[in-house]
Amino acid sequence: EAGVAQSPRYKIIEKRQSVAFWCNPISGHATLYWYQQILGQGPKLLIQFQNNGVVDDSQLPKDRFSAERLKGVDSTLKIQPAKLEDSAVYLCASSLDGQIYEQYFGPGTRLTVT
Amino acid sequence: AQKVTQAQTEISVVEKEDVTLDCVYETRDTTYYLFWYKQPPSGELVFLIRRNSFDEQNEISGRYSWNFQKSTSSFNFTITASQVVDSAVYFCALSGGRGSGNTGKLIFGQGTTLQVKP
Repeated sequence: EAGVAQSPRYKIIEKRQSVAFWCNPISGHATLYWYQQILGQGPKLLIQFQNNGVVDDSQLPKDRFSAERLKGVDSTLKIQPAKLEDSAVYLCASSLDGQIYEQYFGPGTRLTVT
Repeated sequence: AQKVTQAQTEISVVEKEDVTLDCVYETRDTTYYLFWYKQPPSGELVFLIRRNSFDEQNEISGRYSWNFQKSTSSFNFTITASQVVDSAVYFCALSGGRGSGNTGKLIFGQGTTLQVKP
């Protein structure tokens, strides 16, 4: 069974530029998550989707971050404009059911904002 | 509020030693789930175990074992006879059960970096 796929793996941009990350969850997983992991810290949830609806985006900086989940499968996370403090690893995860089952994580996208 | 504390920032052991990683959690939920994930240098978080709050039985999987104690709000992880390949960052995480507005999001601790030297 294929795991969670993410691209790109690495991205370097200048502040005020925009960037987009893509995630393809495990087939059949209804719940999709985007986490931000700053160096030396545990991941922090940015947004959670159940199928193509948003369940929790309380910690998403909505003035610069946006996310969508197309047709309840793939998802994109966008940052516009980026700030230096956005430098982090962005992890996508999926699970069968967000409240019971374990989450499986993709390899992440390491973003560096200069 | 939910919180996970991993007080050990870094641990260094020599191969074949046993090592225990501590995890203390806070929650007001009566139903909740606890997890351990491993993050090797490649960066991908690897799921190790999930326990629900009603199951306090200890679990053993090969060289890995977990001790869940509700009385002390702890969910500790022990690696027996550690190996170099066990070197990684280990995260303990908590999620609430159904109801009470829980969405299943994971609350992670800060992580413990384990270095196993040959």
